[in-house]
Amino acid sequence: EAQVTQNPRYLITVTGKKLTVTCSQNMNHEYMSWYRQDPGLGLRQIYYSMNVEVTDKGDVPEGYKVSRKEKRNFPLILESPSPNQTSLYFCASSGGQWGNSPLHFGNGTRLTVT
Amino acid sequence: QKEVEQNSGPLSVPEGAIASLNCTYSDRGSQSFFWYRQYSGKSPELIMFIYSNGDKEDGRFTAQLNKASQYVSLLIRDSQPSDSATYLCAVTMMTDKLIFGTGTRLQVFP
Repeated sequence: EAQVTQNPRYLITVTGKKLTVTCSQNMNHEYMSWYRQDPGLGLRQIYYSMNVEVTDKGDVPEGYKVSRKEKRNFPLILESPSPNQTSLYFCASSGGQWGNSPLHFGNGTRLTVT
Repeated sequence: QKEVEQNSGPLSVPEGAIASLNCTYSDRGSQSFFWYRQYSGKSPELIMFIYSNGDKEDGRFTAQLNKASQYVSLLIRDSQPSDSATYLCAVTMMTDKLIFGTGTRLQVFP
């Protein structure tokens, strides 16, 4: 089954404790992206990747890191999480031209930072 | 002005009626337009996409695009309670950047 898999689904952590949210897709998509979703603010892009070893900042990259060492994986790293990073996170991938093809979303990761 | 604007709702319609969801965008050079449905606590899922002016129909859903007026609509015919969700409009700007609206919450009551 074609899918984007995120883990974990729920995560509660404390300020400053490094964490990684994994994202993997089995559709051989070149484009992958991370979003956060907050009430009233909608989906905002954190980072995106056009291909292996090619990543770039989205609209809200501060406090996040990403890497794209393999085509299928695009982990999101929070080196020192803070409470303002409490949010619902989605990984997404697309098989076509960046921005012009539909996105396939993972199931989401609800992160709480205390 | 926001790049992609949607009325947050809720839009309440009775079962069987037509639900009309609207979205306006600021960039005249926008190329691609998407509608996603998102149930509470779930991930967005693609409903429809449209690239050209006019209407595009898929089952009970019709997307309407008017580039001159810079709006895109989603019509849901014969609305069902299971259609109750938040509908996200997403627009690809001339820069190829995809921007999401904040969504319209639809409630279909029996």
